[in-house]
Amino acid sequence: AQKITQTQPGMFVQEKEAVTLDCTYDTSDPSYGLFWYKQPSSGEMIFLIYQGSYDQQNATEGRYSLNFQKARKSANLVISASQLGDSAMYFCAMRKSNFGNEKLTFGTGTRLTIIP
Amino acid sequence: DTAVSQTPKYLVTQMGNDKSIKCEQNLGHDTMYWYKQDSKKFLKIMFSYNNKELIINETVPNRFSPKSPDKAHLNLHINSLELGDSAVYFCASSQDYASGGRTSTDTQYFGPGTRLTVL
Repeated sequence: AQKITQTQPGMFVQEKEAVTLDCTYDTSDPSYGLFWYKQPSSGEMIFLIYQGSYDQQNATEGRYSLNFQKARKSANLVISASQLGDSAMYFCAMRKSNFGNEKLTFGTGTRLTIIP
Repeated sequence: DTAVSQTPKYLVTQMGNDKSIKCEQNLGHDTMYWYKQDSKKFLKIMFSYNNKELIINETVPNRFSPKSPDKAHLNLHINSLELGDSAVYFCASSQDYASGGRTSTDTQYFGPGTRLTVL
């Protein structure tokens, strides 16, 4: 069975600082995908970034990067130069295969608050 | 230009009623999903359909019945609503890799959610 653990229920970060949101996962499958989603107070789920288990390099998307450490089974999200609009819930999720229509297993989320 | 849309956005109803939530995607994806987010913000898969065929059913009560008239639509019907059904329900879609034309990440894209409140 797959499991995602997010140990930080809440974080407060000063605007313009970088922030790291932790995510560890557990799976026995050799092929899997890792995702981060953002849920602002308006409620929608916004896809941020993806990392495949066989990807050699860490994924980056603008100010978002994923610090993928396969041996440690961690997939931390790094947000550089945080902005007030980054305040939201952030969910780490895993899918069993790199492609295909497998379900997403979510962590419990981290509520990030950016302080001006 | 909404990619994944859901109606209604809010649904308030009495216990025991039957209600439906509709979902449509215009991304040309083959697979659609229903997720439930509870009051503690925990998200869990309920169902998944691929080309109108049910492929995931995660021990959801029989009162919940998904229906997919075509691959762009996945509706959720709930019978005999209970207090514990109060939650936010998200529809999502993704491209089936086996069908070709996949995105590089085969990401699931979510609708805006439907907040169901059972009184």
